[in-house]
Amino acid sequence: QKEVEQNSGPLSVPEGAIASLNCTYSDRGSQSFFWYRQYSGKSPELIMSIYSNGDKEDGRFTAQLNKASQYVSLLIRDSQPSDSATYLCAVHPPMNTGFQKLVFGTGTRLLVSP
Amino acid sequence: DAGVTQSPTHLIKTRGQQVTLRCSPKSGHDTVSWYQQALGQGPQFIFQYYEEEERQRGNFPDRFSGHQFPNYSSELNVNALLLGDSALYLCASSYYGLSTDTQYFGPGTRLTVL
Repeated sequence: QKEVEQNSGPLSVPEGAIASLNCTYSDRGSQSFFWYRQYSGKSPELIMSIYSNGDKEDGRFTAQLNKASQYVSLLIRDSQPSDSATYLCAVHPPMNTGFQKLVFGTGTRLLVSP
Repeated sequence: DAGVTQSPTHLIKTRGQQVTLRCSPKSGHDTVSWYQQALGQGPQFIFQYYEEEERQRGNFPDRFSGHQFPNYSSELNVNALLLGDSALYLCASSYYGLSTDTQYFGPGTRLTVL
């Protein structure tokens, strides 16, 4: 079982729709969760971080965390063609040292059509 | 506020050669992590440096080594290059003192091994 799993897509949505991106993780002790956006040929850009169960909203983006189900999601409201990119889910697995590494899923490719 | 910088942007090497990649962290950050991202995959953790010491390491062979300097900048060295080392190499910086330890990525170095 992969540590972080995402559907590779592509997920196709029309402009103005809500895009829903999902991620599951295997290590129940994981504490911190991140969504990064990566345009083709570019580096990952942090969109959202979430640490507690529930929803966290930032503009058109909402991250949702359910630790009991080991599930993280990202909702993008009013999707725009400029949102077309690969969305990477990343997790901090539990560490004893105090130093954190990121474990990434393979990413979901989102395509927003005009 | 200067973000994470990396050099060079692109690099072409042949099998068996050695390569050095460089990274300067975001202002105020003291921890540098290196990731390898193969085409179509999520970034994979290579290692992390703090106070000029390697603090944790991913599943990469000893051909991959690194260094951190007193000004917090870092180098990644790869010896005896293989075709499979072709990838985007990402540097991420963070501040160890924050429990959330959010990592911000540089633009990456695209390494092609022929």
